[in-house]
Amino acid sequence: DTAVSQTPKYLVTQMGNDKSIKCEQNLGHDTMYWYKQDSKKFLKIMFSYNNKELIINETVPNRFSPKSPDKAHLNLHINSLELGDSAVYFCASSLTDSSGNTIYFGEGSWLTVV
Amino acid sequence: GENVEQHPSTLSVQEGDSAVIKCTYSDSASNYFPWYKQELGKGPQLIIDIRSNVGEKKDQRIAVTLNKTAKHFSLHITETQPEDSAVYFCAASIGNTGFQKLVFGTGTRLLVSP
Repeated sequence: DTAVSQTPKYLVTQMGNDKSIKCEQNLGHDTMYWYKQDSKKFLKIMFSYNNKELIINETVPNRFSPKSPDKAHLNLHINSLELGDSAVYFCASSLTDSSGNTIYFGEGSWLTVV
Repeated sequence: GENVEQHPSTLSVQEGDSAVIKCTYSDSASNYFPWYKQELGKGPQLIIDIRSNVGEKKDQRIAVTLNKTAKHFSLHITETQPEDSAVYFCAASIGNTGFQKLVFGTGTRLLVSP
């Protein structure tokens, strides 16, 4: 009954590889996000999708390509992985509302690039 | 764009003491201010939030205050317990576009000693 679930939880891969992280939410939300948390715990938004459409792209390198097959899923594909991509990636979701609705986060995917 | 500063970066208290974490934001259009708690190995979880039309909100041992004029908001935890130990993040969001973009503070590591 997990609200926002992402897989894999841990991922260790070599530089130059391509990898994907999958995310699904069962909350009926129409907006999904990817956040990156670096080694200093800084949390920054990467992307936001609303009903499968890209809303926010925070100048993330184009090696990162999100894909939303439907409003319950937002996957993150990363090409040509670099050492600096090592971080925890959090998927999140919320309802679209101008008053400010709770953003629910997944448990995170720990990516280590070696 | 929005910038959120958070202090202190670490906070150690004895069980039963109060803890206060402070944040300032830069964009006067921000109207939604959530606080998240992140435990080790987990995703951030909302613990309390406040909207710009309210000056204070309380939920049991947790309270948040907002000063819109000064553009700062604070988290107050009373009667702290060891299970309150975690990293706490403040955030600010501009919701008037209908799509939230949360900007997070840099986090406060709270340690409650028995």
